[in-house]
Amino acid sequence: NAGVTQTPKFQVLKTGQSMTLQCAQDMNHNSMYWYRQDPGMGLRLIYYSASEGTTDKGEVPNGYNVSRLNKREFSLRLESAAPSQTSVYFCASSDDNNYGYTFGSGTRLTVV
Amino acid sequence: GQQLNQSPQSMFIQEGEDVSMNCTSSSIFNTWLWYKQDPGEGPVLLIALYKAGELTSNGRLTAQFGITRKDSFLNISASIPSDVGIYFCAGQAGYALNFGKGTSLLVTP
Repeated sequence: NAGVTQTPKFQVLKTGQSMTLQCAQDMNHNSMYWYRQDPGMGLRLIYYSASEGTTDKGEVPNGYNVSRLNKREFSLRLESAAPSQTSVYFCASSDDNNYGYTFGSGTRLTVV
Repeated sequence: GQQLNQSPQSMFIQEGEDVSMNCTSSSIFNTWLWYKQDPGEGPVLLIALYKAGELTSNGRLTAQFGITRKDSFLNISASIPSDVGIYFCAGQAGYALNFGKGTSLLVTP
């Protein structure tokens, strides 16, 4: 089925370790997004990419970097993980009208 | 981001009851959307609203885009156990969506 695929689904990191969260979509969408979800905080935008080759900061970009590798793929990198980055991370994509996002099933990250 | 105030924070109801939740903002939005999140999954779009005053239904779900463009509500009629989940409102003014903090719905048989 068409959709957004995120890997890995679960990850435990030690403080200071680095890792990259992968996201790919097969709906030919131009726009892609990374959100984090924390209890009682809803979904907060980390970074987004309006098109291949462009990225912009969202509400909570500190401690993260992103790469729009091609139209399908948008990765999120933690260079030096901190316990405050323990969260569930969601990738999403949308068409040019941005009328409704399609979300992946999330990556559950714990930093100890 | 622009803050959305979603209420209630949680609801615990019996099967068959109707449910109402709403979302307000101090900012104007061009689009309001409602999502549902099942445990362990990403949010899924339920209803999208594009014009002030618009009333849209999707099965047992009805949502409205407020006239002031600063609020929206979602109603669920005759709730069933599979309605359990977290419901999020989202508003769009700039490029990306701003989400409310969610309403957690529990339905007992």
